[in-house]
Amino acid sequence: NAGVTQTPKFQVLKTGQSMTLQCAQDMNHEYMSWYRQDPGMGLRLIHYSVGAGITDQGEVPNGYNVSRSTTEDFPLRLLSAAPSQTSVYFCASNKGAGNTIYFGEGSWLTVV
Amino acid sequence: GDSVTQMEGPVTLSEEAFLTINCTYTATGYPSLFWYVQYPGEGLQLLLKATKADDKGSNKGFEATYRKETTSFHLEKGSVQVSDSAVYFCALSDGSGGSNYKLTFGKGTLLTVNP
Repeated sequence: NAGVTQTPKFQVLKTGQSMTLQCAQDMNHEYMSWYRQDPGMGLRLIHYSVGAGITDQGEVPNGYNVSRSTTEDFPLRLLSAAPSQTSVYFCASNKGAGNTIYFGEGSWLTVV
Repeated sequence: GDSVTQMEGPVTLSEEAFLTINCTYTATGYPSLFWYVQYPGEGLQLLLKATKADDKGSNKGFEATYRKETTSFHLEKGSVQVSDSAVYFCALSDGSGGSNYKLTFGKGTLLTVNP
């Protein structure tokens, strides 16, 4: 019963490096999304997808890129890491209207 | 736009004390309301939810009632335990326009329960 799986759990990057945070769900959910969590800010939506081949921006999309080639996977790409992107990243998925949103365990990213 | 305002912490209680964490919201549609809990070093887990006015969500001794007239969804527990120490997030999902993919979160309230 995997649910939403994120990798890696911890990562340290140097400024300017790029990397991809992986997210996979095995619940056949249509909707997937990425949030970042910063102290005193709650969680803020970065990008979301309502189905394979469809993505859109959330509240804080700058510096991030996403794609949704399959229903199961929704990777988040950092194009050129900056210290301001130091955060905890959560992937989430849900089946559709009114259904519970499930979260992965988080990815702790530090940019130095 | 949608917003959630919740009681700022941290909140420190003794075991068996009564807990209330206030949460109020602003939404344009007819939102569903949620409480999520985050234990140290872990991800978010759904604690309870309510999808329409006057619904009461409950789980693990926690409960919250969806009050449309006061736009509130306060979290309560009659007797907290040390194991309840965590960060609690109030959130809403505004179902209008098909936007059920996203949650709007409050800033979180850190609860520490001492033995």
